[in-house]
Amino acid sequence: GAVVSQHPSWVICKSGTSVKIECRSLDFQATTMFWYRQFPKQSLMLMATSNEGSKATYEQGVEKDKFLINHASLTLSTLTVTSAHPEDSSFYICSASFGTDSQETQYFGPGTRLLVL
Amino acid sequence: AQSVTQLGSHVSVSEGALVLLRCNYSSSVPPYLFWYVQYPNQGLQLLLKYTTGATLVKGINGFEAEFKKSETSFHLTKPSAHMSDAAEYFCAVSEGGYSTLTFGKGTMLLVSP
Repeated sequence: GAVVSQHPSWVICKSGTSVKIECRSLDFQATTMFWYRQFPKQSLMLMATSNEGSKATYEQGVEKDKFLINHASLTLSTLTVTSAHPEDSSFYICSASFGTDSQETQYFGPGTRLLVL
Repeated sequence: AQSVTQLGSHVSVSEGALVLLRCNYSSSVPPYLFWYVQYPNQGLQLLLKYTTGATLVKGINGFEAEFKKSETSFHLTKPSAHMSDAAEYFCAVSEGGYSTLTFGKGTMLLVSP
């Protein structure tokens, strides 16, 4: 099946710094990528939808100036957490969609665990 | 708006026993339905999906699910549980294609020897 990678797999940073997370589709081109956030023992919450070459669409309540998303190519999307604070500590998961219509499937990356001290 | 309800945050079975994880959904249009599995500290892996056509969907690792429109359900089953099935399972719905995936809260499957 299609493979999606994330880098880094985990990161620890000091409060106030910025962290960039990369999401790559390794063997297919993804027109659309998605960013999710998952708190411990909870479900995934969609943060934003990212389309190549255009601005990301953020879900209600997600600060677009804090969570910067760039979808520079059909295989790469990045999420930058700016001025991170302890409450931003979470598990961030990206996904990339492949296929069309009923064959369209989202493939998920392995996730990035962020700990802000 | 779409939503997903997974009954039971934890389900415990013995190895070899039937696995049944329940999922009910609501959607204003014919839904696409999905089951994903998540192992600790990992991303999600697609088990199976229903879009159109046959209502009984077979997935990987011996899992299957049946779409029942009248019951707005998409329960996940496996005839015989294996220790390696222990993980968290998420049911998700979208209103056609990938407009937006809405996930349930997840069900942790525990398998005892």
